[in-house]
Amino acid sequence: AQSVAQPEDQVNVAEGNPLTVKCTYSVSGNPYLFWYVQYPNRGLQFLLKYITGDNLVKGSYGFEAEFNKSQTSFHLKKPSALVSDSALYFCAVDKAAGNKLTFGGGTRVLVKP
Amino acid sequence: EAQVTQNPRYLITVTGKKLTVTCSQNMNHEYMSWYRQDPGLGLRQIYYSMNVEVTDKGDVPEGYKVSRKEKRNFPLILESPSPNQTSLYFCASSPGTGALNYGYTFGSGTRLTVV
Repeated sequence: AQSVAQPEDQVNVAEGNPLTVKCTYSVSGNPYLFWYVQYPNRGLQFLLKYITGDNLVKGSYGFEAEFNKSQTSFHLKKPSALVSDSALYFCAVDKAAGNKLTFGGGTRVLVKP
Repeated sequence: EAQVTQNPRYLITVTGKKLTVTCSQNMNHEYMSWYRQDPGLGLRQIYYSMNVEVTDKGDVPEGYKVSRKEKRNFPLILESPSPNQTSLYFCASSPGTGALNYGYTFGSGTRLTVV
């Protein structure tokens, strides 16, 4: 069975500092990886995905993620965090012909001014 | 606009009173699924459908039913809701992993409270 682990329930970072949200996955076959963000009382917003190709994926709002096959990781990064980046972030995995998106437990990001 | 529409957005009901949460997509996607979101558990799949009249259980199907009579609609039915079904529910659709525009589109969510 496929699974996703987000080891940190919460990440605190000062505005302007780099932000990293960790994600590791387990899936048989090639993974399809996603990051979503959820703001309070809102739905899920797509940030970026990795299907194939370049291991560094750039997404919305200045976020990027690096696919590392050997470490089975897909950490989300932003070089300079904004207070408005404070939200709940979800990593998710699917696979070719899988068509079942499996989510991690989520990481709450708090960016302090 | 391409979207997944869920209704209602908020629902408070009493234990045992049957309810239906509707989900409709306008992208002609084959795959549709329902998730529930609970604190610390992320989103867990309840049921999914690969096409009309084809549905299957996800990770937490107990207490739920679904149907897929038309490609665009995928309602979630709670025949006898219980308080442990109080949660935030999301519907999602996808063209499938083989599609060039593969990805998932989520509805805005339905916050259900069962008292």
